[in-house]
Amino acid sequence: EAGVAQSPRYKIIEKRQSVAFWCNPISGHATLYWYQQILGQGPKLLIQFQNNGVVDDSQLPKDRFSAERLKGVDSTLKIQPAKLEDSAVYLCASSFGTNGEQFFGPGTRLTVL
Amino acid sequence: AQSVSQHNHHVILSEAASLELGCNYSYGGTVNLFWYVQYPGQHLQLLLKYFSGDPLVKGIKGFEAEFIKSKFSFNLRKPSVQWSDTAEYFCAVRNQGGKLIFGQGTELSVKP
Repeated sequence: EAGVAQSPRYKIIEKRQSVAFWCNPISGHATLYWYQQILGQGPKLLIQFQNNGVVDDSQLPKDRFSAERLKGVDSTLKIQPAKLEDSAVYLCASSFGTNGEQFFGPGTRLTVL
Repeated sequence: AQSVSQHNHHVILSEAASLELGCNYSYGGTVNLFWYVQYPGQHLQLLLKYFSGDPLVKGIKGFEAEFIKSKFSFNLRKPSVQWSDTAEYFCAVRNQGGKLIFGQGTELSVKP
């Protein structure tokens, strides 16, 4: 069974630039999550989708971060413009339902210079 | 606000030593509890989970964890660690709202 796919794996940008990350969840998983993991900390939920609807985006910095899951399958997370403090690993996870086991992708390591 | 606290940032053990990683959470209601592990260069993966019933849960690779409700704790244990257990371990709590909240992680280094 294919796992959660993410791309790119690494990205280096300068502050004020924009960047986008892509995630393809496990087939059949209706729930998709984006987490931010800053070095030395645990993952922090940014946004949760159920199919193509947003369930929770309370911790998403909406002035610069946006995410979409238009067809209820793959998803993109965008940062525009990036700040130094956005340097982190961005993890995508998916689950069969909102209370199901979450399966994580390999993450995208973002460095903002 | 709900939070999860892991007691140690970095633990160094020799092979065959016993392991206990502490985890405490702050939430008074019903919770689901998890331990995740991230081996070097690999994805975050589930080690074990507790939803209800027997407070002593067993996971993969000989790990177990005990839920002590009165102490708001869910400590991870293994009687004898191996070099291959070197990884970062995360405790997480899921409340009735469904949000998963992670601790800051404990890096375990096992010396051969």
